[in-house]
Amino acid sequence: ETGVTQSPTHLIKTRGQQVTLRCSSQSGHNTVSWYQQALGQGPQFIFQYYREEENGRGNFPPRFSGLQFPNYSSELNVNALELDDSALYLCASSYRQGVTEAFFGQGTRLTVV
Amino acid sequence: TQLLEQSPQFLSIQEGENLTVYCNSSSVFSSLQWYRQEPGEGPVLLVTVVTGGEVKKLKRLTFQFGDARKDSSLHITAAQPGDTGLYLCAGARSNFGNEKLTFGTGTRLTIIP
Repeated sequence: ETGVTQSPTHLIKTRGQQVTLRCSSQSGHNTVSWYQQALGQGPQFIFQYYREEENGRGNFPPRFSGLQFPNYSSELNVNALELDDSALYLCASSYRQGVTEAFFGQGTRLTVV
Repeated sequence: TQLLEQSPQFLSIQEGENLTVYCNSSSVFSSLQWYRQEPGEGPVLLVTVVTGGEVKKLKRLTFQFGDARKDSSLHITAAQPGDTGLYLCAGARSNFGNEKLTFGTGTRLTIIP
């Protein structure tokens, strides 16, 4: 167990709706990254937060947004959901110093219908 | 754009056999990591390799980083059913840690008892 927890574990939304996914990072970690993993694919980097500020973004549209809180927990928000947004959303926490490992949560399975 | 190609994509072998999974790229990475992912769960870190030519062993698993830091391999000796899972390689470009990991396409391994 990594100590990274995500909620909810499963979610079904309708196209056009908005969704918020949550991540509690491992104790001592100040960096949170979000990834989208479509079925049968490797995870794709969405963005990263370091000390409450966005620190890099992948090739995702602006309707994907995020927040990091003072306790280093994080949220991923997706507006105007599309069918292709259906995926496993993974949160990973790490401590930004040297070569460090990322510890992943169990993910949130989002289904858009 | 998937910068890391893994092969084979699927592999099904008998218990006790040996196997090798490859992770190739045209890009140089500062470090490369291997993860194993079970269905419905997040990836779990197996190893991080940093130096070109580096070899790391984890029980029956042997990981090697290419001399040019563009490719890597995972060799499993005497495979067991517990080795079944999705194996992902991931490269990091930053020297500050594993931010912005670029994941490979994955190798789905099935060990038949």
